[in-house]
This record gives sequence, structure tokens and C-alpha cells, in this order.
Amino acid sequence: ETGVTQTPRHLVMGMTNKKSLKCEQHLGHNAMYWYKQSAKKPLELMFVYSLEERVENNSVPSRFSPECPNSSHLFLHLHTLQPEDSALYLCASSQDSVWREKNTQYFGPGTRLTVL
Amino acid sequence: AQSVAQPEDQVNVAEGNPLTVKCTYSVSGNPYLFWYVQYPNRGLQFLLKYITGDNLVKGSYGFEAEFNKSQTSFHLKKPSALVSDSALYFCAVRDMRNTDKLIFGTGTRLQVFP
Repeated sequence: ETGVTQTPRHLVMGMTNKKSLKCEQHLGHNAMYWYKQSAKKPLELMFVYSLEERVENNSVPSRFSPECPNSSHLFLHLHTLQPEDSALYLCASSQDSVWREKNTQYFGPGTRLTVL
Repeated sequence: AQSVAQPEDQVNVAEGNPLTVKCTYSVSGNPYLFWYVQYPNRGLQFLLKYITGDNLVKGSYGFEAEFNKSQTSFHLKKPSALVSDSALYFCAVRDMRNTDKLIFGTGTRLQVFP
């Protein structure tokens, strides 16, 4: 276990549904990330939160809405998704410090999302 | 542009033989390089990283990687492969223009045969 948990592990939803993915880190970190992993494509960074503030939104469609209520929790709210949004969604965390470039990101197990 | 290349989609090796998974990078400035492993139905697990210092970096599960600045490479190695090493391996480099951002390669599937 890496200290980063994600729920649910699997999710099937229709295009009109609204659902949320949850990530929780038990490492005392202050930065959290959402990634999308699709088959045969590099991992795509979606969002970055540092000290509970969003510092990066990597041109992600508005049907994905992140929320970071505190440094231990990160959500990804989903609505009116498309079939091409089916992927493995990975959460990660790291300790943001002066030497940010040296920080190691630790990943959760991911949520396998299928949009019908 | 910052980028990472993993030229092999799959690497096959017999158990007990040495293994190498290749990675080359392109960044401006000094690179910070990482290797992660992903087992089936799991997230990415951190293996090792190079920040500065000794070019040979040792990591988890007996893996090591060698930073070669002249060849802009950071190949992952293990002297003796195990069947349990079979997984998907990702190389990543820190984007120095945005220190929050890791740039990942497309991954290399390692298959170790008994």
C-alpha cells in the first residue's frame, strides 16, 4: 500500500449520470493530483492542488470538476461524460516544499471508469 | 519541448537473466528522472529517482537505473529478473518549467518467462 486510497475501484455510469471519485492520502502530504490513464497513451495530468488551492488545470473539459476540501482529500465530480472518458483515473500526492522539483509523487490504485 | 521516450512497447526476458528497460529524455536544464511500476489492476508504485549525485541509482525490489547525461538516457536495470517483475514500467521526467508536472513515457511492458 502506498498510503493513497481511491474509491470506488470500479465505476460504470451512463452519459447522463453524475458520480464522484474520491481520493484520500494518509501520508501527511500537501499536494494532490488527478491523472487520466488511457490505453496506449501517456499518463495525462488533469489537475494539481497544492495547499488546497488548484494550481493547474490541464485543459480538462468542464464535465470533470475537482474539489479539494482539505489536504487529505481530493474528489473528482463527473457529469455528462462521454464514452471516450472511459479510462483509469489515478490520484497521487506529494509533499510540496521549497525543493518542489525533488518531490516524489505517490499514487493510489486508481478507479476504472466505464462510460456507456 | 520536454519529453520522455520509451522505445520498446514490450521487453521479454527469461527468469534469472538481466533485464534492461530503456528510457531517453529531452529537457532543458538538469533533469529529475523517475521510474514507476504498475502491476495489473493497481496504481503506479515509485521505484527510484535521480536528482543529483551518483549516476547509478538503486531502488526498490533490486532495481537500479543509470543516468547518462551524454546519451540523455535513464535505463532501468536488474541483474536477475523474476517472474514477479512482470508489469508495466513508466519512466518520467520533471518538467522544469512547471515543477508540479511529471511527464511520463508511454510505458514498457516487461514479461519475464519462467
